Amino acid sequence: GAVVSQHPSRVICKSGTSVKIECRSLDFQATTMFWYRQFPKQSLMLMATSNEGSKATYEQGVEKDKFLINHASLTLSTLTVTSAHPEDSSFYICSAIGGQGATDTQYFGPGTRLTVL
Amino acid sequence: QKEVEQNSGPLSVPEGAIASLNCTYSDRGSQSFFWYRQYSGKSPELIMFIYSNGDKEDGRFTAQLNKASQYVSLLIRDSQPSDSATYLCAVNGAGSYQLTFGKGTKLSVIP
Repeated sequence: GAVVSQHPSRVICKSGTSVKIECRSLDFQATTMFWYRQFPKQSLMLMATSNEGSKATYEQGVEKDKFLINHASLTLSTLTVTSAHPEDSSFYICSAIGGQGATDTQYFGPGTRLTVL
Repeated sequence: QKEVEQNSGPLSVPEGAIASLNCTYSDRGSQSFFWYRQYSGKSPELIMFIYSNGDKEDGRFTAQLNKASQYVSLLIRDSQPSDSATYLCAVNGAGSYQLTFGKGTKLSVIP
């Protein structure tokens, strides 16, 4: 199998609060995890690449101090949106590599819809 | 800059017909090619991957790759209304796990 879960699936928070999103590979060890953001009617935008035990690599324009990523184990990566603002409202999706099939195939979690009021 | 181009659609086909989705990529060194399906409000779901030139079939789906033309396509036979979704083409390069996504083609299968 190649199942990736995310929690929570939906979160609504007030402006200025921090939100943590968990991404887990349920039946395989994920050597690498990715975090994406998707705004309505737009394509996926890669935010960062996360490897277990090392610092995440952020894409240009993504603030690493605002989007904290921790990849503590081969099955868990977390994304914390710090001091969230309405413009951070989006669909956040993680993916993981290491499941069945090709070793470079990314399997996606179900996504977390964040709404910041 | 690596680019993946797809016609945004919408592509409308009648139920039972063959849907043909196309994708071109700019990086000639690309090694792996993926097709994902994304329903509205959901995350992408892997349909197929292909590495070698030629065709690869899986059920009603056939992926076709032509590296010389930098072209990859997805054929859906016997299209069903449940196939209505946005189809994302994704490509990664040699030694890289990062995917470059196209903007997706919206497919609508008309009953």
